Amino acid sequence: KQEVTQIPAALSVPEGENLVLNCSFTDSAIYNLQWFRQDPGKGLTSLLLIQSSQREQTSGRLNASLDKSSGRSTLYIAASQPGDSATYLCAVRYLEIQGAQKLVFGQGTRLTINP
Amino acid sequence: NAGVTQTPKFRVLKTGQSMTLLCAQDMNHEYMYWYRQDPGMGLRLIHYSVGEGTTAKGEVPDGYNVSRLKKQNFLLGLESAAPSQTSVYFCASSRLGSREFFGPGTRLTVL
Repeated sequence: KQEVTQIPAALSVPEGENLVLNCSFTDSAIYNLQWFRQDPGKGLTSLLLIQSSQREQTSGRLNASLDKSSGRSTLYIAASQPGDSATYLCAVRYLEIQGAQKLVFGQGTRLTINP
Repeated sequence: NAGVTQTPKFRVLKTGQSMTLLCAQDMNHEYMYWYRQDPGMGLRLIHYSVGEGTTAKGEVPDGYNVSRLKKQNFLLGLESAAPSQTSVYFCASSRLGSREFFGPGTRLTVL
């Protein structure tokens, strides 16, 4: 079964710290992997997408890495700010027959940055 | 561009009632999806569509039907609502292999 696990479930750090969120997946035959942000009561916003052939992607203070062989991805947030407080979800895409795509989500990490 | 929009934003139904949730996207995306999000269960795929006129079942399709008569619209129907369908429903769209764009969600309560 294709499963995605995120650890920790919740994380609270002081402002300014660098931090790492973890994602692991059981089936390494992925097409790509995305990191999303979800604010309370809102929809999901895609932050970074890493194709299966890539090792990492960067956007501003965010850096996502992918190690397909070990079934792991990390999201690194540099110099955290209170505005980074949100739930971060990892989602792995698999391609299926007839062009269908399947996105499997982790449960998310709820991040709180304390001023 | 409005992106992905969903209507309504909130709805309360009684058990057995029916309703339709509407999703619209203006990005000319081929793929559209309906998810439900429940505490402790994460996001689960209900149905999806790989193009106009085509739909397919996801992980939790029972009790729902969908239609995609126009490329920009994806409708999710509940024929006879049950309390177990109380959830937040998200629509999303994408191109093959590209980022998903999500709508703001519909919060549905079934009494």
